[in-house]
Amino acid sequence: GAGVSQTPSNKVTEKGKYVELRCDPISGHTALYWYRQSLGQGPEFLIYFQGTGAADDSGLPNDRFFAVRPEGSVSTLKIQRTERGDSAVYLCASSAGPNYGYTFGSGTRLTVV
Amino acid sequence: DQQVKQNSPSLSVQEGRISILNCDYTNSMFDYFLWYKKYPAEGPTFLISISSIKDKNEDGRFTVFLNKSAKHLSLHIVPSQPGDSAVYFCATISNFGNEKLTFGTGTRLTIIP
Repeated sequence: GAGVSQTPSNKVTEKGKYVELRCDPISGHTALYWYRQSLGQGPEFLIYFQGTGAADDSGLPNDRFFAVRPEGSVSTLKIQRTERGDSAVYLCASSAGPNYGYTFGSGTRLTVV
Repeated sequence: DQQVKQNSPSLSVQEGRISILNCDYTNSMFDYFLWYKKYPAEGPTFLISISSIKDKNEDGRFTVFLNKSAKHLSLHIVPSQPGDSAVYFCATISNFGNEKLTFGTGTRLTIIP
C-alpha cells in the first residue's frame, strides 16, 4: 500500500489478556519501528527491526512485550498478560534506511480495562 | 529523565500571526533535530529538520532555529493558518545507524480564525 497500515485501529481488552497488534509497512522499507505514546507524552521507542531481525529492542518495557517480523515485511507486536498501564497508542513506522526518514502509521489505540 | 523537553503543553495564536514553538534538550551529543506534526487519530508526519552544523533551516512557512550553546531549538510558522492546528513534537536522533527518535512531550497549537 501507499502508507503504513496498522490494525486494528482500536482494541479494548481485559486486564490479563493477550493482544497482538499488526503493522504493514511501506513495501520495500527495510527498517521498521514500534513506538508507544501514552496520554500527554511524546512517542517512546520500543523496538527497531532491520529486515527480519530486531536490531534494537532496548525500549521494550518488560518481558511481557515481544515483537516479530518473520519475513522482513509485516510486524506483530505481542503483549502478554496486559495491564491497565499498557493502555496507549502504539505507533509503527517504516523507513527505506538511514537518512530516508520515517513514515508513521495511524496507530492502534489499546485500552486495557 | 526527559532528554527532550517541550515546556509549553499548549499555545494559541491568531490566524496570520507567527507561531513559535520551543524545545530544549539536555544531551550535547544530539546532532540532528526534527519537528513532527500530529493530527488526532493520525500518526506523526515529518515537518522539517536541522543538522547541528546549521543554525537555521527554512521550508516555506516553516523555519527551525537551533541554538547549540543554549541546547534550544524553535519552530516558527508564519503566517499561521487554521490547518496548522495540531500537536507538534520536536525529536532528536539519539543513535545514528538505527535512527531511533527521542521525542519531546508535544505542544498543542491552536490557530484562532
